[in-house]
Amino acid sequence: EAGVTQFPSHSVIEKGQTVTLRCDPISGHDNLYWYRRVMGKEIKFLLHFVKESKQDESGMPNNRFLAERTGGTYSTLKVQPAELEDSGVYFCASSQVGGPPYNEQFFGPGTRLTVL
Amino acid sequence: KQEVTQIPAALSVPEGENLVLNCSFTDSAIYNLQWFRQDPGKGLTSLLLIQSSQREQTSGRLNASLDKSSGRSTLYIAASQPGDSATYLCAVRRYNNDMRFGAGTRLTVKP
Repeated sequence: EAGVTQFPSHSVIEKGQTVTLRCDPISGHDNLYWYRRVMGKEIKFLLHFVKESKQDESGMPNNRFLAERTGGTYSTLKVQPAELEDSGVYFCASSQVGGPPYNEQFFGPGTRLTVL
Repeated sequence: KQEVTQIPAALSVPEGENLVLNCSFTDSAIYNLQWFRQDPGKGLTSLLLIQSSQREQTSGRLNASLDKSSGRSTLYIAASQPGDSATYLCAVRRYNNDMRFGAGTRLTVKP
């Protein structure tokens, strides 16, 4: 079974440009999460989808970030316009709905974003 | 606000040594605690997950313990190998689903 996949693996853009990151969760996982790790800091939660609905977006840093999950399958995270401080690694995770052990989060390989 | 701290930040040991990585958290109202491994340029690999009702989990040479009341977890690695070299992350999950991560311990096992 395929794990969580993310695209692209690495993106280099200039300040002010727009970038869209994509995450494909494990098939059948209704929960989808975005996290990011900026240089020198710990991984931080951004937001959580249950199917197509945003359950918790308390970690989104500002309105330059827009996450969508149309149809409740894959998700996109758009940064517009990108700033230097947005550089880092963006991780996606997914899990089933329900109690343990079904709700373990499985992580993708991450997208490394570099804003010049 | 939940804060997760990992000590030490970096550790270098000779091959074959047993070692302990530490994780502490400030809010004991957690759902579970998970240890991950991250290799350079790679994603997160889950090592062990301990539910809040459990005290430890074991997988091969790894053993993780959880003491919720004191806000501590340890990851014990027996007979370390060069292939164990990586960054080890501790993460606690709250009941509203998001996970809070520590900054990690960078482990180097020298042949």
